Order: sequence, then C-alpha cells, then structure tokens
Amino acid sequence: LAKTTQPISMDSYEGQEVNITCSHNNIATNDYITWYQQFPSQGPRFIIQGYKTKVTNEVASLFIPADRKSSTLSLPRFSLSDTAVYYCLVGGPSGNTPLVFGKGTRLSVIA
Amino acid sequence: NAGVMQNPRHLVRRRGQEARLRCSPMKGHSHVYWYRQLPEEGLKFMVYLQKENIIDESGMPKERFSAEFPKEGPSILRIQQVVRGDSAAYFCASSPSGSYRDREQYFGPGTRLTVT
Repeated sequence: LAKTTQPISMDSYEGQEVNITCSHNNIATNDYITWYQQFPSQGPRFIIQGYKTKVTNEVASLFIPADRKSSTLSLPRFSLSDTAVYYCLVGGPSGNTPLVFGKGTRLSVIA
Repeated sequence: NAGVMQNPRHLVRRRGQEARLRCSPMKGHSHVYWYRQLPEEGLKFMVYLQKENIIDESGMPKERFSAEFPKEGPSILRIQQVVRGDSAAYFCASSPSGSYRDREQYFGPGTRLTVT
C-alpha cells in the first residue's frame, strides 16, 4: 500500500481558503486518493475521492497533478466548525476493503 | 436511515475482565470493519467481516481478541483478559455490497474503552 505524508498540523483564520497537501510518491496505477475528516470524539467521515485532475463537491475540492504523486485538499472558506483531523488515504477504489489511516493533519483556527 | 450504531459509548473494565463491544451497521450494509485508535494516532484496521464470515483479520492481535458478525444481530468485538494497553477508542464502520466506486465507509461514534 502506498504510504502517505501530510503535515501534522495547520492553522488558519476563519474565512480563508485552506489547502492541505499530501504526498504519495509510490501511488499505484489503480490507486485512488480519498480524504476523511474526523471531529473530536467522533468517527471519521468521508469527504472526497479522486483519481486525477480535479474533483469538487459541496464540502471540498481535491486537486491531483498529472504525476499523481501528491494531492491537495482545499476547503474554500475555513470556519470554526471545520476544526478536525484530516486524513489522506491511498488505495484501490472499492469501499469493501480495509482503510489505512496515517496520523492525519490537525486543522485548527487561529483565534 | 439510522447511521452505524455502537454501544456502549464508554466502557470501563478492570485488568483481567472481558470487554464486549457491539456494532450495528447501517441498514442494508453487509460489510463491517473494526478499527482501533490510540490517543493522538490514526485509526488502525483490525478486522473485516461479512455476515457469518471473517474476511480479513490481519490487524487483530493473535491472542485475546475475537470478532463475529452473526446472521442475526450486531457485530461483536470481544477482548478477553483486558490489559491497560487495550485502552483506546474502537470504531466500527460499514459499507454496502458492490461498493466498487468509492472508498466510502460509514463510521459509528466509537466505544471508548478504559482499562483500570
């Protein structure tokens, strides 16, 4: 399984766009990139998934360059309610396989 | 449509006792996964089950831990003779069959096990 590397923590002001970059140099041809969000004392929640280029939904955008060795999760307007840990996962597309989580990025608001 | 349910939410056990964690998947989901999360760590996969079958238990400790997902009723994660190192949050997730388009698993709120 491809290993992922992402910053341990990030801070942002409310209202700003926040970008979290994840490195996955050994990504395989059939691997997808998936992001999960975990609020304190809750289970993780699926945010977005992509294979290449750009994917956008009501929560976030995911940018994947042509070489797919990294990806960037973009939250358009950070708010206090977005304070959470964000996990980047890489693996086959099926939901019927175990997920491999790293330590994630802890995103906090700057007071 | 109720989400994944886990109970109890908090469980305190003395060393040497047994812990039983229950998980009811989302309606219509036949795949269940158990993960463990230590403080300040990411989730670690433990076991993947379908109804009456263990599909992948590569993340389960070899001793004291067992899991089942019977034909009727919730999935159970059982930890015998608990030790302090078993203290963690245990999350259950479920997914429907034929989920081949995205890696979306639905997680429960977790059971926080404290061993004293």
